[in-house]
Amino acid sequence: DAKTTQPPSMDCAEGRAANLPCNHSTISGNEYVYWYRQIHSQGPQYIIHGLKNNETNEMASLIITEDRKSSTLILPHATLRDTAVYYCIVRVDQGGSEKLVFGKGTKLTVNP
Amino acid sequence: GAGVSQTPSNKVTEKGKYVELRCDPISGHTALYWYRQSLGQGPEFLIYFQGTGAADDSGLPNDRFFAVRPEGSVSTLKIQRTERGDSAVYLCASSLTGSVSYNEQFFGPGTRLTVL
Repeated sequence: DAKTTQPPSMDCAEGRAANLPCNHSTISGNEYVYWYRQIHSQGPQYIIHGLKNNETNEMASLIITEDRKSSTLILPHATLRDTAVYYCIVRVDQGGSEKLVFGKGTKLTVNP
Repeated sequence: GAGVSQTPSNKVTEKGKYVELRCDPISGHTALYWYRQSLGQGPEFLIYFQGTGAADDSGLPNDRFFAVRPEGSVSTLKIQRTERGDSAVYLCASSLTGSVSYNEQFFGPGTRLTVL
């Protein structure tokens, strides 16, 4: 699976959009971009995933650049409950092995 | 509905002892995963089950670690001769099927293991 690079920490004001970047310059054509987050003392939670088109769901939007070498997770109106570590993961189906390879992620702090 | 549950939530043991950690996946989920997470790090993959069989155990650090899923539902992670370096949060996740690459994994709250 390709390696990802994320900033270690970010701050955001409550009610504002949080834009979390991720670089994945070695991504392969059949690798998806996933985002998970982990709130303190809980297990990780799936947010969104995409291959090459931008995606939106009730939690967030995922913008993937045309060359697929980077992406941005957007939380449109951040709340205090969005304070968490956000993990960007690039993953391909390796013939049945479905593991997720986590990096250190970005610690997002939403401030009142 | 019920999510992934893990027991115990906390386990304190002494160096050299044997421990078992239990995971109850979401009903009907055929795929089950174990990860462990050290302080300040992201979760690290240990083993993946598809049904009763271990499809990928490449993340198990050594032969002190073993996991089973005899009936394709509940799984137990077993650690023999525990060492202080085994102290971590052990996370379990399940998913509906392991055959689709974009399948979402649902995580439990984890078991915090402390080896004194």
